[in-house]
Amino acid sequence: DAEITQSPRHKITETGRQVTLACHQTWNHNNMFWYRQDLGHGLRLIHYSYGVQDTNKGEVSDGYSVSRSNTEDLPLTLESAASSQTSVYFCASSSGGPSGANVLTFGAGSRLTVL
Amino acid sequence: QQPVQSPQAVILREGEDAVINCSSSKALYSVHWYRQKHGEAPVFLMILLKGGEQKGHEKISASFNEKKQQSSLYLTASQLSYSGTYFCGTDGSGTYKYIFGTGTRLKVLA
Repeated sequence: DAEITQSPRHKITETGRQVTLACHQTWNHNNMFWYRQDLGHGLRLIHYSYGVQDTNKGEVSDGYSVSRSNTEDLPLTLESAASSQTSVYFCASSSGGPSGANVLTFGAGSRLTVL
Repeated sequence: QQPVQSPQAVILREGEDAVINCSSSKALYSVHWYRQKHGEAPVFLMILLKGGEQKGHEKISASFNEKKQQSSLYLTASQLSYSGTYFCGTDGSGTYKYIFGTGTRLKVLA
């Protein structure tokens, strides 16, 4: 069965360290997204990609970067982790059909704690 | 800018009804609703593509008022399994930039 997997599921790191969260999907979806979830803010869009070599900034992209070298993967990198980036991170993908009709499929989430 | 949902949180008894509202400052071309159980990923509930469209899923239904840039989710005769956080979502005007509302935490008590 097709799936979307995130790793690691839990990560503790120190302020200033570089961290990469992996996202791998086998749906063959064109669109991929990264969100962070914090109480009171819901799901906020960090970065998204429409396809290979395409990346776009979302609403809260400062301090984060992504790259899309193939259809299956969209890793999220925190260049220099800050305590404000402690959060639960969700990766999602969609098929890229007609705009408005895209349904997102989510990974299980990665909980990141920055000390 | 994120759509705003109201209320932020609601507590119900089994069998009671609830309404969750989603309001956007920008034009909504479609509205999607998701439910997230505690500790899990959000799961798609339904999509409304046209103003005035209404849909149902189990005893959960939704409406979409395109002119008012609003959507409402109606939970009828709530069950314990309805507990979770509900999100409205939209991918904007002809793009795939998918953003979510602020979320509504719903708890159903026995």
